Amino acid sequence: EADIYQTPRYLVIGTGKKITLECSQTMGHDKMYWYQQDPGMELHLIHYSYGVNSTEKGDLSSESTVSRIRTEHFPLTLESARPSHTSQYLCASSAGTTISLEQYFGPGTRLTVT
Amino acid sequence: EDQVTQSPEALRLQEGESSSLNCSYTVSGLRGLFWYRQDPGKGPEFLFTLYSAGEEKEKERLKATLTKKESFLHITAPKPEDSATYLCAVRIPGTGNQFYFGTGTSLTVIP
Repeated sequence: EADIYQTPRYLVIGTGKKITLECSQTMGHDKMYWYQQDPGMELHLIHYSYGVNSTEKGDLSSESTVSRIRTEHFPLTLESARPSHTSQYLCASSAGTTISLEQYFGPGTRLTVT
Repeated sequence: EDQVTQSPEALRLQEGESSSLNCSYTVSGLRGLFWYRQDPGKGPEFLFTLYSAGEEKEKERLKATLTKKESFLHITAPKPEDSATYLCAVRIPGTGNQFYFGTGTSLTVIP
């Protein structure tokens, strides 16, 4: 079983609030990712990191930011939540080596912005 | 344009009724195709990685195969606990470790 954790699991928050979604992994993986998933839709990459102090935006335009100060920790922050941010947010990590490309996902955070 | 397409969108099977899920891709120069299982309200769980045409991987009642244009996930004698959404992903060429995901096949196995 993969050791990747996300908190909170569920969050209901009002418009304009600042929120941070937490993601931690204990596998020592260098590569970490944030995806957004809506019902019946494919996963969209919103941020990724290939190591400490390395972060990049993915293919989905996002008003969120991320940081990677420690290998095991990859939090995602929304400075001002809007109803359009309502979605499922999935964190993943990967060793990303030639023989181990697969990603391991956390349980997700279901965010509702009212 | 590179993309991943999964079919069918939904599949209902009787317990013990074998079937296959399809994942077709148009990525040029495949560098890995991945199958995941996702239960409601949870993150995807890794199942298989396939790298080259002709490769096959098996796990319990599941068997994944790969051709130059598509992959199949064969489910033999499914049980109700196999009910889940099955996702396919391919590695994006030219990226370090990024993926295109399909929209998944929702499988329901009826007792």
